[in-house]
Amino acid sequence: DGGITQSPKYLFRKEGQNVTLSCEQNLNHDAMYWYRQDPGQGLRLIYYSQIVNDFQKGDIAEGYSVSREKKESFPLTVTSAQKNPTAFYLCASSPRLAVFGTDTQYFGPGTRLTVL
Amino acid sequence: AQKVTQAQTEISVVEKEDVTLDCVYETRDTTYYLFWYKQPPSGELVFLIRRNSFDEQNEISGRYSWNFQKSTSSFNFTITASQVVDSAVYFCALKAAGNKLTFGGGTRVLVKP
Repeated sequence: DGGITQSPKYLFRKEGQNVTLSCEQNLNHDAMYWYRQDPGQGLRLIYYSQIVNDFQKGDIAEGYSVSREKKESFPLTVTSAQKNPTAFYLCASSPRLAVFGTDTQYFGPGTRLTVL
Repeated sequence: AQKVTQAQTEISVVEKEDVTLDCVYETRDTTYYLFWYKQPPSGELVFLIRRNSFDEQNEISGRYSWNFQKSTSSFNFTITASQVVDSAVYFCALKAAGNKLTFGGGTRVLVKP
């Protein structure tokens, strides 16, 4: 089945540690995105990528890093510089870059990160 | 700048009641797209519908219907004869050309049996 997978579903991290969240899609979509969701709030864009080896900062990129070495993969690293990393992280993809276009974004199941 | 407001933070209904979710948006662009997503307790956002600013025709899909009114900058969503499985958080979102996808704060719908 085609779709977006994120792993792990739950992740616990000690303060000061970097952690990487996985996002894989087999939809052959060009564009991929990372969002952060805090309790009771909407989604905020962290990073997005429209092609391999290219990515752009979203609204809240500080303390995060990404890579796009393969079309189907867009991992997100939450670094120790992120002051308040506990949140729900959602990955999305679209056939083309929806930031400037109109393609619909489709979302993965999310990873819930908790900093202990 | 874009903005999406979902004034209702939570709505609680009894099964089989209708429920309408309000969405008001702001944009200076004349070309834009509006979306509704559903987020069940599992967390995944499920795409429900997309409408463009040039198409104000309202749509019905099964128990779901949408009312798009440019004159009031609203894109409301109605669930008819609600079911327990409709319990979720519903997000309205806006995207104008050259801008990112902007989400409202979400409305939690609780359908009680």
